[in-house]
Parts: sequence; C-alpha cells; structure tokens
Amino acid sequence: SQQGEEDPQALSIQEGENATMNCSYKTSINNLQWYRQNSGRGLVHLILIRSNEREKHSGRLRVTLDTSKKSSSLLITASRAADTASYFCATDGWAAGNKLTFGGGTRVLVKP
Amino acid sequence: GAGVSQSPRYKVTKRGQDVALRCDPISGHVSLYWYRQALGQGPEFLTYFNYEAQQDKSGLPNDRFSAERPEGSISTLTIQRTEQRDSAMYRCASSPQALDGYGYTFGSGTRLTVV
Repeated sequence: SQQGEEDPQALSIQEGENATMNCSYKTSINNLQWYRQNSGRGLVHLILIRSNEREKHSGRLRVTLDTSKKSSSLLITASRAADTASYFCATDGWAAGNKLTFGGGTRVLVKP
Repeated sequence: GAGVSQSPRYKVTKRGQDVALRCDPISGHVSLYWYRQALGQGPEFLTYFNYEAQQDKSGLPNDRFSAERPEGSISTLTIQRTEQRDSAMYRCASSPQALDGYGYTFGSGTRLTVV
C-alpha cells in the first residue's frame, strides 16, 4: 500500500516556468522526503523535511509541509529540460514501521 | 564502494526457476532496504535490515520471497519458483543508521523478467 499520493500525476511545462506538485499522506510521520527518478534510472534523494519543519529550500527546490493537512508540496523554480523526471514523495514514521513508504509519483515534462 | 551496487543489472529467467539478486550497500551503512517497482509506479517496500537483523519483512508478497544479510553488509533477495507476475525492477537502498532522518541511497536496480 502507498502512504503518499502525488498530485498531479503528470505535468507539462515550458523551460523557465515553475513546477509545483503536491503530496498527501494518511498517517502521522517523522519525516517526508522527495526523490527524483530520471527515465528508467535510479532514485535520487532531493530533500528531507522533518515533521516539525514547515518549509525548506535547496537550490531551486522549495518544499513545504503542513502536518495539519497531512500534505506537502515541492516547487521547482526556473525549470530546465534536465528536470524532466518522475518525482516521488516518501514518508517515514513510527506508525509505518520506520521505513520509507513512497507515493505513485508525478511525471514532469519540461519542454525546451 | 562509492554507491549502492546491485547485480545483475538485468535478469531473464524462465518461470519456475529460482533467482538471487545481490545488493552491496555503501560501506558502513547500517540499514539496507529492498523495494520493488513496477513500470510507472512508485517503489513498493519489501523488507529491510539493520546490520544483519531483518527488522521488517511485511512487504514480501509471499513465502517464495526471502532475503538475508548474514554479515551485515551484502544482502541477497531470493525468489523461488518465479512467476510472470514477479517481473519488475528490484531496487536496493542503504542509509547510514537505523534512526530516521536520513535519505536513502538507491542502487541502479535489477530488472527481472520472467518468461
């Protein structure tokens, strides 16, 4: 079963635009992470936000977390063609046995 | 090594055969995880280890699947009597400690095809 659900499932934007995707989850968490997966390749860890944090930045990435709504968002600013990938949120917490549970992902296409 | 290494990269096997998938985690990483990923979907948890101890195997689909990490380093995921529905990408990941708050480092995966 999947804890996180991403929205939208797919997103198509022009290079230079911002991309925003959302993740909702069901049970209480300790941390929420975002991963990127380029076509057919491995998963790369992007950013981790703890349950007591509300916002975090890393380069062109901005992550927010609203534990009252059990949701998170990932914003990629000034997108590039190389940002074309699937993006997954993943949560861990005592309720889920301390392993990461992934959502179904958002497929982002950045057109040059 | 510098990253998580999985072998083989590709495995084609006939239905009914047993397969063993290998994962070599980052040196010193305590925790090792196995996931399975179907095309177009997110990774699905199978099992994980802290050192040599299997902490959680709740994601293993049935008793044909087993995993071990006898010396707390390299791990093997074994699938017995493979079926076509076992075809998927099998991914291994490791993290520094058993505590939460660390991102996982994933290997490139083993793509298993059962014909």
